[in-house]
Amino acid sequence: AQRVTQPEKLLSVFKGAPVELKCNYSYSGSPELFWYVQYSRQRLQLLLRHISRESIKGFTADLNKGETSFHLKKPFAQEEDSAMYYCALQSGGSYIPTFGRGTSLIVHP
Amino acid sequence: GAVVSQHPSWVICKSGTSVKIECRSLDFQATTMFWYRQFPKQSLMLMATSNEGSKATYEQGVEKDKFLINHASLTLSTLTVTSAHPEDSSFYICSARRSGGQETQYFGPGTRLLVL
Repeated sequence: AQRVTQPEKLLSVFKGAPVELKCNYSYSGSPELFWYVQYSRQRLQLLLRHISRESIKGFTADLNKGETSFHLKKPFAQEEDSAMYYCALQSGGSYIPTFGRGTSLIVHP
Repeated sequence: GAVVSQHPSWVICKSGTSVKIECRSLDFQATTMFWYRQFPKQSLMLMATSNEGSKATYEQGVEKDKFLINHASLTLSTLTVTSAHPEDSSFYICSARRSGGQETQYFGPGTRLLVL
């Protein structure tokens, strides 16, 4: 069975501070991992995926298979980053993601 | 872009009535659509996977007779909550996977259901 764990329900930081939203997963095969973001009163949308190895809105995430983690990082948080962030895992060949419970990021001015 | 719409955005109904929620992919064809339920401050719970022209696949614990899903075309899937009860009150979100093998899903804005 696959599982995604986001240990923090809430993460509160000040503007300009570094941010790391944690995500750990359990899956026996080769996973595909994603971060989705939901801004206030907006729909859920894809932020980034591990296979792209790209930086979106200053966020990066590296898949660490040894630690089974896919933490989301940003060196300098901005107020507009305040949102719910969901880590998701898809097993190979499946199009159905398993979501973590989400972490609410609040960036204070 | 790939836009998914849902209608209605919110609905209030009396206990015992049925409510239909529509999910449309506006600018692409969606072979597969997904229905999620989201409780306050909790994650999305997948309810069912809907494939065009075939029966939906329901997740364990989701009553298929309670939550009827119809995926009649490549751009429309409907979720009908039959004989709704207050415990069915929730935020229902659909998503669609673009035909052609894309791994990501595009999400609708969600429908808030309140059953009195």
